[in-house]
Amino acid sequence: GQNIDQPTEMTATEGAIVQINCTYQTSGFNGLFWYQQHAGEAPTFLSYNVLDGLEEKGRFSSFLSRSKGYSYLLLKELQMKDSASYLCAVRQAGTALIFGKGTTLSVSS
Amino acid sequence: DTAVSQTPKYLVTQMGNDKSIKCEQNLGHDTMYWYKQDSKKFLKIMFSYNNKELIINETVPNRFSPKSPDKAHLNLHINSLELGDSAVYFCASSHQGLLYEQYFGPGTRLTVT
Repeated sequence: GQNIDQPTEMTATEGAIVQINCTYQTSGFNGLFWYQQHAGEAPTFLSYNVLDGLEEKGRFSSFLSRSKGYSYLLLKELQMKDSASYLCAVRQAGTALIFGKGTTLSVSS
Repeated sequence: DTAVSQTPKYLVTQMGNDKSIKCEQNLGHDTMYWYKQDSKKFLKIMFSYNNKELIINETVPNRFSPKSPDKAHLNLHINSLELGDSAVYFCASSHQGLLYEQYFGPGTRLTVT
């Protein structure tokens, strides 16, 4: 079976740091992706981890521990425009992604 | 513009009708996908094509039939539409291989009445 869990909702304030966790149990693993999706728009790629450790891209970082089936997305210096859904996705065998149900992040001033 | 495009953006139709959604990408990718996002925002893979060959076909009713006339196009035809088919359908594309991210189209919001 396959299961990808992330919190449904999170709130934070501008300028803060927020960490969105994702745990997964899948029958195969070929990498973990994070996507951002604003309301009414398409998902856009944020980051990709295939090896354990931290990947940093500007204000966004993503961490992976394959032995624990765990990843997190770290957003620093939050801005209002970061209010969106954040989707954790696992690539199994093949190239299709298995998505979690997403975490809706609300950033307030 | 280089992108993944879909038509139409909105589609409202009645139960029992047949409809098609078109997808085109000009990114030079060789793999294309269809995803369905339901009212709870859950995004789920339906089909994947690589070089016009079907490589993934998840548990989707056979009323849904994808067609890929060439590497740049992947269309989705839906027969005998049902209320439960109402959702946003996203097309995506990527290079073949595990390292590449997928690029999503703007989505088609299908409403079946």
